[in-house]
Amino acid sequence: QVQLVESGGGVVQPGRSLRLSCAASGFTFSIHALHWVRQAPGKGLEWVAVISFDGTKRYYADSVKGRFTISRDNSRNILYLEINSLRPDETAVYYCAKDRVTFGVGEIDFWGQGTPVTVSS
Amino acid sequence: AIQMTQSPSSLSASVGDRVTITCRASQEISDDVAWYQQEPGKAPKLLIYAVSNLQTGVPSRFSGSGSGTVFTLTISSLQPEDSATYSCLQDNSYPYTFGQGTKLEI
Repeated sequence: QVQLVESGGGVVQPGRSLRLSCAASGFTFSIHALHWVRQAPGKGLEWVAVISFDGTKRYYADSVKGRFTISRDNSRNILYLEINSLRPDETAVYYCAKDRVTFGVGEIDFWGQGTPVTVSS
Repeated sequence: AIQMTQSPSSLSASVGDRVTITCRASQEISDDVAWYQQEPGKAPKLLIYAVSNLQTGVPSRFSGSGSGTVFTLTISSLQPEDSATYSCLQDNSYPYTFGQGTKLEI
């Protein structure tokens, strides 16, 4: 069965950096695009970024462009999100998510359980 | 960015009721809309993709419809386990955007 397990979250001071990881199993990792989505406490879902199946295309939400970097390692089935210059309003649960489409991009069909990130001094 | 305006923000209904949740896109998005259910403390779950396609394993009381800029999620006969927050997603263009969510109380 599909599994996505995020790690790397925690408490971090404003302005610092963090790298989130997502270990995938149960599907053919290298043919699906992957997303990061976040959810602040008590708020709705916010799409953050996507990376194509082969890692050649990356797109970001305007709010994170220039500070977040999405990447993947298809040899190890791991997705990453490098986050720089964190702000307190970026406190959220960060979800790794799998795209339903193969060799393209479409909607998200499966989500990990999320890793919480708290930005606080 | 395409805005997805979802309504209502909250809804209270009874077992057996039929409920409808609406998302309006700020521009035409073809059939690129999906719907998700999220229970408290859990990850979202895909219900419907491409406006009206039921995800495998999702009960048939869930359905989606719409075109252009207005899309709806309907639950035909509410069950107690349907108590959750429902969100739409447009995957027509980047950045992807979600509706604000509808909290459904049974």
